[in-house]
Amino acid sequence: TQLLEQSPQFLSIQEGENLTVYCNSSSVFSSLQWYRQEPGEGPVLLVTVVTGGEVKKLKRLTFQFGDARKDSSLHITAAQPGDTGLYLCAGVSDRGSTLGRLYFGRGTQLTVWP
Amino acid sequence: DAGVIQSTRHEVTEMGQEVTLRCKPISGHDYLFWYRQTMMRGLELLIYFNNNVPIDDSGMPEDRFSAKMPNASFSTLKIQPSEPRDSAVYFCASSSGLAGSTDTQYFGPGTRLTVL
Repeated sequence: TQLLEQSPQFLSIQEGENLTVYCNSSSVFSSLQWYRQEPGEGPVLLVTVVTGGEVKKLKRLTFQFGDARKDSSLHITAAQPGDTGLYLCAGVSDRGSTLGRLYFGRGTQLTVWP
Repeated sequence: DAGVIQSTRHEVTEMGQEVTLRCKPISGHDYLFWYRQTMMRGLELLIYFNNNVPIDDSGMPEDRFSAKMPNASFSTLKIQPSEPRDSAVYFCASSSGLAGSTDTQYFGPGTRLTVL
């Protein structure tokens, strides 16, 4: 099993604040994905990072893949109440028998208060 | 496109009963995945199919769990007999390819199973 640890588990902040969520593993992944999940819904893919050191930006969200392809971070600038949700990272296995399989972290529950 | 369909959003059953969860993938997707989500263990892959054939069922917790995909537009996950520890949200997802390519897994809304 390729484990992914996410921190913090819970994050409660005021609108306008910045935040960073971390996703760490001892395993190397071919790529890493970030998902956002709202209550009563399934996860929705936000981004896939593929290259070690890669940085991708989606409006106020910045995703970074570690140089060794074992960890990633998600930074949100000027958080808004609409950013509230469960953020999940998922590593994509590069091992033969599990190639392409997703291994999910347990998620960071973000609440942004107006 | 209607997305992945899991028409039953909540399922309540009693310990020892059989329960069947159902999923309709997005039309044209060759891969179908069953996941289970709990607070303790997060989101775990149970089994996935490629072109209706089970490829990896290593995540299926016990023989009480079984999954079928009789055709490209329908899959079932059956638990028999069910136990309280099976209580979780079960998600179905589908995609055109495996993750890591340009293909995205699309998740259904999930079925929340409660075993009393």
